[in-house]
This record gives sequence, structure tokens and C-alpha cells, in this order.
Amino acid sequence: ETGVTQSPTHLIKTRGQQVTLRCSSQSGHNTVSWYQQALGQGPQFIFQYYREEENGRGNFPPRFSGLQFPNYSSELNVNALELDDSALYLCASSLDQGDQPQHFGDGTRLSIL
Amino acid sequence: GDSVTQMEGPVTLSEEAFLTINCTYTATGYPSLFWYVQYPGEGLQLLLKATKADDKGSNKGFEATYRKETTSFHLEKGSVQVSDSAVYFCALSPGNNRKLIWGLGTSLAVNP
Repeated sequence: ETGVTQSPTHLIKTRGQQVTLRCSSQSGHNTVSWYQQALGQGPQFIFQYYREEENGRGNFPPRFSGLQFPNYSSELNVNALELDDSALYLCASSLDQGDQPQHFGDGTRLSIL
Repeated sequence: GDSVTQMEGPVTLSEEAFLTINCTYTATGYPSLFWYVQYPGEGLQLLLKATKADDKGSNKGFEATYRKETTSFHLEKGSVQVSDSAVYFCALSPGNNRKLIWGLGTSLAVNP
């Protein structure tokens, strides 16, 4: 089975720009969650999508937005980038049935200059 | 709200030493508990999980037991290897896998 894949692996942007990160979920998974992991920290939950609808959101401003497509792949969009947005962005997919664990991609490293 | 507290690192051990990484949690209801591992330059991998009190999760020689009475989920391994060097994260899911709440991670370095 194909695992979770994220693109791009690395990205450099400047303040004020906009960015789109992409995630392909593991085959058969209908739920995608996005996390932000700052250097030396644990991941922070951004939001989750289930069957194309937002299904929970963490403490992130509205300039962080997302989409999930009919094939369950997902995008994370960040507008008006700030220096503090520099982090590793992780996507995780799962099958929303009971206690199925989340499976993570390798992440996108975003650097803001 | 729900939270996870892990022992601070870094932890440095010699090969074949015994490992314990402490994790305690605060949650309402009956969360599921997880340990994830992040090897250098890689994403997070599920190491083990437990979904109810007294469950023991185990994988690759690592074990953790869900202790409701002490709200703990300590990670243990009897004999660590150099290849175990990584960052270990304790996490909980409040229910229905809606989101994971993470500890800050504990860095482990194993020397030959």
C-alpha cells in the first residue's frame, strides 16, 4: 500500500507571500490532519479534514486554510507568511473508524526569510 | 484542557542500557495513548499504542502500559541499540482519532 506523501519536501518563501503544501493520503484513508512542528517542539494540530469537510481546528489564525479533495488528498494554504511560520508541516492520514492510528508523511520544511 | 507531559531530554545512554522515558497525561474521558518516534531527517512513525486502561503496547522491544490510576504511559526498553537514537513523542487522542495532542518530545542518543 502507498504511504502518505507530501510535496514539496523543502520550500523557501519571504514574508507576506502565500504558500500551498500538498498531501496524498494513504490508500483507503478518508481523514487527513495537518500539524505544524517548530524546531525542537512537538507537533501542533492545525486542522483535520474528513470526507472533504473541516472536522476540527487547532489554535491557528484564519490565514491557515485547507482543502480536501474527493480522492482524499489535501492542501494546506498559508497566506501572508510570517517569520514564525517557519517549521516542518506534517500531514497524517487515517481511517476514521474507532482507534485507527494516524500515519505521517515526511513533512514539508518551510523556511520564511 | 487535555495535555501530555514528557520527561525532558536529551537522554544519553550506552548501548544495551535500560531505557525509561516518562509520560503523563491529563484528559477527560478515556483517551487512546501513543508513542511515536522521529528518526533524524524523517517523519513521525507510530511506535506503539494502547486504547484502554491496563493495555500494554509493544513493538521493536519497546513497551508502554496504560496506567489510568497514575495517568501515565511510560516508554521502556530493556536493551537499547545505537539505531534507537531518535526523538520520542508521547501523544494522546481524546477520542475518535479527531486529533493528537503531543508532548514536547524526548531526544535519545545511544552511544556504542
